Amino acid sequence: EAQVTQNPRYLITVTGKKLTVTCSQNMNHEYMSWYRQDPGLGLRQIYYSMNVEVTDKGDVPEGYKVSRKEKRNFPLILESPSPNQTSLYFCASSLSIDPYSGGGEQFFGPGTRLTVL
Amino acid sequence: KQEVTQIPAALSVPEGENLVLNCSFTDSAIYNLQWFRQDPGKGLTSLLLIQSSQREQTSGRLNASLDKSSGRSTLYIAASQPGDSATYLCAQNHNDMRFGAGTRLTVKP
Repeated sequence: EAQVTQNPRYLITVTGKKLTVTCSQNMNHEYMSWYRQDPGLGLRQIYYSMNVEVTDKGDVPEGYKVSRKEKRNFPLILESPSPNQTSLYFCASSLSIDPYSGGGEQFFGPGTRLTVL
Repeated sequence: KQEVTQIPAALSVPEGENLVLNCSFTDSAIYNLQWFRQDPGKGLTSLLLIQSSQREQTSGRLNASLDKSSGRSTLYIAASQPGDSATYLCAQNHNDMRFGAGTRLTVKP
């Protein structure tokens, strides 16, 4: 089944304890992205990646890191989490972002609910 | 900063009604616009994708239109059902992706 998977689905942690949220897709998609969703603020993009070893900042990259060493994986790293990073996180992927190659439709993972105490 | 706005923020209709959700955007160079559905506490489900060269897309009871010149897209839902109750989000794609705040739809039996 074609899908985007995220782990863990739920995480409660404490301030300053490094964590990684994994994201994997099995559709051979080039484009992957991370978002956070907060009440009243909607969905905001954190980082995105056009392809392996290519990453760019979205709207709210502060406090986050990403890497794209393989096409299928795009982990989100919080080196020193803080309570303001408590949020619902989504990973997404698409074939490409380039409409001329037929890409664009983004598929979302089920979300990771993170609480930082 | 390119913005995406959705109106109305919330909508309640009786079952069977046809309805229109609105999305406006300021980036005239978008690659495409995508409509999603989100149920409470759940992920996003893609409904329709309209490439910048297209005017509309249809899937079942859903029809989405795109007018790049005016920066508007609409999602038309025909013969609404209680199962359509959810939050509907539109998003513009132009390398990065920007979402509207969504329209929370309630369809009453």
